[in-house]
Amino acid sequence: DAGVTQSPTHLIKTRGQQVTLRCSPKSGHDTVSWYQQALGQGPQFIFQYYEEEERQRGNFPDRFSGHQFPNYSSELNVNALLLGDSALYLCASSFGGSNQPQHFGDGTRLSIL
Amino acid sequence: KQEVTQIPAALSVPEGENLVLNCSFTDSAIYNLQWFRQDPGKGLTSLLLIQSSQREQTSGRLNASLDKSSGRSTLYIAASQPGDSATYLCAVFTGTASKLTFGTGTRLQVTL
Repeated sequence: DAGVTQSPTHLIKTRGQQVTLRCSPKSGHDTVSWYQQALGQGPQFIFQYYEEEERQRGNFPDRFSGHQFPNYSSELNVNALLLGDSALYLCASSFGGSNQPQHFGDGTRLSIL
Repeated sequence: KQEVTQIPAALSVPEGENLVLNCSFTDSAIYNLQWFRQDPGKGLTSLLLIQSSQREQTSGRLNASLDKSSGRSTLYIAASQPGDSATYLCAVFTGTASKLTFGTGTRLQVTL
């Protein structure tokens, strides 16, 4: 039973570029949430996708956008990258989008030069 | 706005000791509370989940308690081992926001 998988593992970009991160949820899960974790901090909620729509959004600018596909996988897009976007990006999946346990992937480490 | 605080920020103990990690949250209207483990550069591994109606959960050497009215949770680790060295994160799920709010974690080192 595959857990949450994220790709790529590591990514290096320069300021102003755009990036796309990918997430496949755990089998049987239909809800995907994205979190940003800066070094030494706890993860911060970016947004959640359910039934291919953004259902909730945290305090992140419009440069952060996402998508969920019919197979429940999801993408996180970040435009006009800033140095402060350097972080570990975590994807979590759950079932039903409610208070069910969230299962996390290993994350994508994004470094901005 | 929900805020989660974890104390202490870092902890070093000799192998075999029992220890307690603390977590507090400001809004008691939570659905559940989860404790996670994070190894350096890795994702999160869920250790224990306590629903808002529960008082505690146990898994092996780990025991987590929840006092929702006072906004507190503790994670008790018995007979600590070097393999327990990691960062431990507490997170609460708030239904109105459908998201987890995390603390900044406690970095644990268990020495030989």
